[in-house]
Amino acid sequence: GQSLEQPSEVTAVEGAIVQINCTYQTSGFYGLSWYQQHDGGAPTFLSYNGLDGLEETGRFSSFLSRSDSYGYLLLQELQMKDSASYFCAVMPGGYNKLIFGAGTRLAVHP
Amino acid sequence: DGGITQSPKYLFRKEGQNVTLSCEQNLNHDAMYWYRQDPGQGLRLIYYSQIVNDFQKGDIAEGYSVSREKKESFPLTVTSAQKNPTAFYLCASTLTGAANYGYTFGSGTRLTVV
Repeated sequence: GQSLEQPSEVTAVEGAIVQINCTYQTSGFYGLSWYQQHDGGAPTFLSYNGLDGLEETGRFSSFLSRSDSYGYLLLQELQMKDSASYFCAVMPGGYNKLIFGAGTRLAVHP
Repeated sequence: DGGITQSPKYLFRKEGQNVTLSCEQNLNHDAMYWYRQDPGQGLRLIYYSQIVNDFQKGDIAEGYSVSREKKESFPLTVTSAQKNPTAFYLCASTLTGAANYGYTFGSGTRLTVV
């Protein structure tokens, strides 16, 4: 089976940096993805890591260590609009389906 | 503009009824998926389809059924056998074999049993 662990809630202030961790256990692994979901909305794709290392996209970066079964999403220069839930997701056995973690609710305060 | 359209946005079901949720995409994506989301929780996979006329069960398929007669369409039927259907249902699609492409999600259908 597969399991993903991520913190349930994170709080930060505007302009700060926050890191959301994700550890996983899967039978087979084809990469770690991150999605953002605002309340009542659809998830939107943020990033994908297929290999170890850091991927940077604007204010957001994502990191993967396959040997540690661990990854994180780094959000810099936080803005109020970044308040949302963030989900890590893995492809356990090929490019056929994503399994999602329970999500981390990020609250950004002034 | 290309995207995924889910309808209806809100749906109310009486006990013992079957209801069908619509999902249509014009992105020319091969793969389509149905997820269920309960309040404050993650997304759980119900069914997925890689090609027309073929689909596979996800982790929580019991009480649900799907069809994939056209590439653009992947409707989900919530049957009376699903004992706790109240949830937010999300449809998604992506290109097969493009792991870094990401999923595109529809805006969801919120189903409530009355």
